[in-house]
Amino acid sequence: SYELTQPPSVSVSPGQTASITCSGDKLGDKYACWYQQKPGQSPVLVIYQDTKRPSGIPERFSGSNSGNTATLTISGTQALDEADYYCQAWDSSTWVFGGGTRLTVL
Amino acid sequence: QVQLQESGPGLVKSSETLSLTCTVSGGSISSYYWSWIRQSPGKGLEWIGYIFYRGNTNYNPSLKSRVTISVDTSKEQFSLKMSSVTAADTAIYYCARVWGSYPATGALDHWGQGTLVTVSS
Repeated sequence: SYELTQPPSVSVSPGQTASITCSGDKLGDKYACWYQQKPGQSPVLVIYQDTKRPSGIPERFSGSNSGNTATLTISGTQALDEADYYCQAWDSSTWVFGGGTRLTVL
Repeated sequence: QVQLQESGPGLVKSSETLSLTCTVSGGSISSYYWSWIRQSPGKGLEWIGYIFYRGNTNYNPSLKSRVTISVDTSKEQFSLKMSSVTAADTAIYYCARVWGSYPATGALDHWGQGTLVTVSS
């Protein structure tokens, strides 16, 4: 079965750029999306179709996808961006989630 | 603004069937795919399956033998049934709407608040 691999944790200082990766075989040939989940809350879609931002998502969130890696980038990271982030992709008629990355804003 | 609300028993006995319903408000259930996702305590997200408003379904292969998703467009609801549950099925269950014409290119753009289901022995 298809697997998406994320680093368990990423740390960033306020105002700096955070990059969270998601790796999978030929992931660049598929669409990747990203969800943000804060403690006790439901996930929120922050990036879909690799690079698109839903309405209401700040411009500091951006995405890319090429080769075997999709990347979520948060520019000018703020304390309120501290959360778990999950990537998701479609393979063989099923949706697959990455294991999640905890972003800590130090 | 579309809103989704899960409902159903919070406690299910081992070996029995888990049943949940998701009610859609603020928008129509028609023209979309709808999905169930779960999250075990302290763990990541797991896709369970989806249903098109016309009734077409697709399930996670690891759960397919135990899962049935159905839709009732007249009530703007879709439902999940999972049979033969064990403690490993204890999780927060979310329902969500699929944005996009096809799941392969879509994403989950609206989520319910989630409901915790505990499987007891």
